[in-house]
Amino acid sequence: AQSVTQLDSHVSVSEGTPVLLRCNYSSSYSPSLFWYVQHPNKGLQLLLKYTSAATLVKGINGFEAEFKKSETSFHLTKPSAHMSDAAEYFCVVMDDYKLSFGAGTTVTVRA
Amino acid sequence: SAVISQKPSRDICQRGTSLTIQCQVDSQVTMMFWYRQQPGQSLTLIATANQGSEATYESGFVIDKFPISRPNLTFSTLTVSNMSPEDSSIYLCSVEGPLRYNEQFFGPGTRLTVL
Repeated sequence: AQSVTQLDSHVSVSEGTPVLLRCNYSSSYSPSLFWYVQHPNKGLQLLLKYTSAATLVKGINGFEAEFKKSETSFHLTKPSAHMSDAAEYFCVVMDDYKLSFGAGTTVTVRA
Repeated sequence: SAVISQKPSRDICQRGTSLTIQCQVDSQVTMMFWYRQQPGQSLTLIATANQGSEATYESGFVIDKFPISRPNLTFSTLTVSNMSPEDSSIYLCSVEGPLRYNEQFFGPGTRLTVL
């Protein structure tokens, strides 16, 4: 079965500085990978997805992620954090039609 | 993307009772999914619901505790039966995107508290 590991449970950044959320995956073949965001008391929103096309994936709100097969990684980045980026972020792998979620990374943005 | 609504948005229930959560989609979809998010935790898939067949449950989840209905291509219900405080969670439904195996869209969730 495929799985993902989010390497940081909590990330704190200053507004205007870069954000890096790390995710490693375990898969015997090329996976479909996603990043979802969950704002407090809100539903889940898809940020971006990788489905074996371009390895650098651009998503909404200035986020992007790079699929690196050699490192089995799918890290999420944003060049400049905004206060509205404070939320919970989930790295997710699709195995057949089922989604498996990482443990989540809580992002705090300091003014 | 699909627009998904859930009812109720939140509820507080007494132990031993049951609650049925509704999930409505604005378009016809083949596959619907139910997830549980326990406090401070990630999401765990409970079951997959296809129209016209019985739901498929993941390990650790059983039909007697979480019966699911899927009467048509736009609607599903999840019942949490004989509730205990350990069932306090957010329950979310999701549907597959327009391209199968492509992505899933999530409803806003139902926040359940069991006293």
